[in-house]
Amino acid sequence: KAGVTQTPRYLIKTRGQQVTLSCSPISGHRSVSWYQQTPGQGLQFLFEYFSETQRNKGNFPGRFSGRQFSNSRSEMNVSTLELGDSALYLCASSLVIGGDTEAFFGQGTRLTVV
Amino acid sequence: GNSVTQMEGPVTLSEEAFLTINCTYTATGYPSLFWYVQYPGEGLQLLLKATKADDKGSNKGFEATYRKETTSFHLEKGSVQVSDSAVYFCALRNTDKLIFGTGTRLQVFP
Repeated sequence: KAGVTQTPRYLIKTRGQQVTLSCSPISGHRSVSWYQQTPGQGLQFLFEYFSETQRNKGNFPGRFSGRQFSNSRSEMNVSTLELGDSALYLCASSLVIGGDTEAFFGQGTRLTVV
Repeated sequence: GNSVTQMEGPVTLSEEAFLTINCTYTATGYPSLFWYVQYPGEGLQLLLKATKADDKGSNKGFEATYRKETTSFHLEKGSVQVSDSAVYFCALRNTDKLIFGTGTRLQVFP
């Protein structure tokens, strides 16, 4: 079956702009999580959605937001981009939330802010 | 709070050498523990997992045992290959999100 698909793979944006990233989970998976990966901070949790509801949120400013649609696809939006937002953004999908549930990751979207 | 500490890399080994990457954790309750691997330009792939004390996860020759008494989940492989070169992440999940260590880069030379 198809894996987690993230689009686009690469993005270059200018400071102050906004960006929307997309994640299509594995068919049947209802949970989608987002992570930011940078060399300095490693993997940081952004938020998790399940059945169109945000269930958990990490310590990121309000410029970072997301949503999930009825088909479980998810988008995350970053407004007023800053240079420090340059990172690899990873999406993970799971059948359910928590416990020993396996999370399947996409290849990520590499965002560069100039 | 919950946290994961991994040994710093890079770990540099010759092919067929023995590998150990140390991982310790701090958590309330009884978390599930995971090892993920990230190859260059790729996302993370689950390598193995363990859900309770004394469980041993294994996959592709890699093993890790959930040690509650030492709060550890060290990754081991008896004989590494060049194709094992990647970044390895230890992670835990309690009730919700995955919490990752900083990652350990493994470089295997022929």
